[in-house]
Amino acid sequence: AQSVTQPDIHITVSEGASLELRCNYSYGATPYLFWYVQSPGQGLQLLLKYFSGDTLVQGIKGFEAEFKRSQSSFNLRKPSVHWSDAAEYFCAVGQGAQKLVFGQGTRLTINP
Amino acid sequence: SAVISQKPSRDICQRGTSLTIQCQVDSQVTMMFWYRQQPGQSLTLIATANQGSEATYESGFVIDKFPISRPNLTFSTLTVSNMSPEDSSIYLCSVSPFPGQTHYGYTFGSGTRLTVV
Repeated sequence: AQSVTQPDIHITVSEGASLELRCNYSYGATPYLFWYVQSPGQGLQLLLKYFSGDTLVQGIKGFEAEFKRSQSSFNLRKPSVHWSDAAEYFCAVGQGAQKLVFGQGTRLTINP
Repeated sequence: SAVISQKPSRDICQRGTSLTIQCQVDSQVTMMFWYRQQPGQSLTLIATANQGSEATYESGFVIDKFPISRPNLTFSTLTVSNMSPEDSSIYLCSVSPFPGQTHYGYTFGSGTRLTVV
């Protein structure tokens, strides 16, 4: 069965520091991969997605992610975080034609 | 991308009662999805709602507990029936703009935060 693992439940970084959030997936075919962000009390916002082509994808808010098939990973990165980036981040994989399977989420805290 | 209006945004309900959550989309979509996010947990798909047919439920979710309506291509409701404290969660609706084209990504409503007391 398809699955997504986000190994880090909670990450704390200082404002201005770089960020990498890990995501590993298990999927039998070429996956469709997504990163979503959920701010407190808000719904989910799509940061970026990958389904083919260039393995380095750019998203909104200065985020990028790299698809590495050999490692079954789709890690999210940002070179310099801002206090407003504090939120919950979810990695998801497209399952079949329609469904999304989500990882457990990583809560990001930003130290001033 | 589609804009979703979800109501209510939050509610506190007595156990044994039912709550109906509404999801309105500003454009016609074929498929609408309902997710549950339990406290501190990730999102779990409850069911997929297609217009003109019965919803398709995931393992562990049943129609008697979570009846879904989909009267047209822009609207759906999810009812949480005979609630217990374990139903306290955030419920989110989601749409995919193109049927079978997952790679376009999904849009989510802002969610309904339900507390059952």
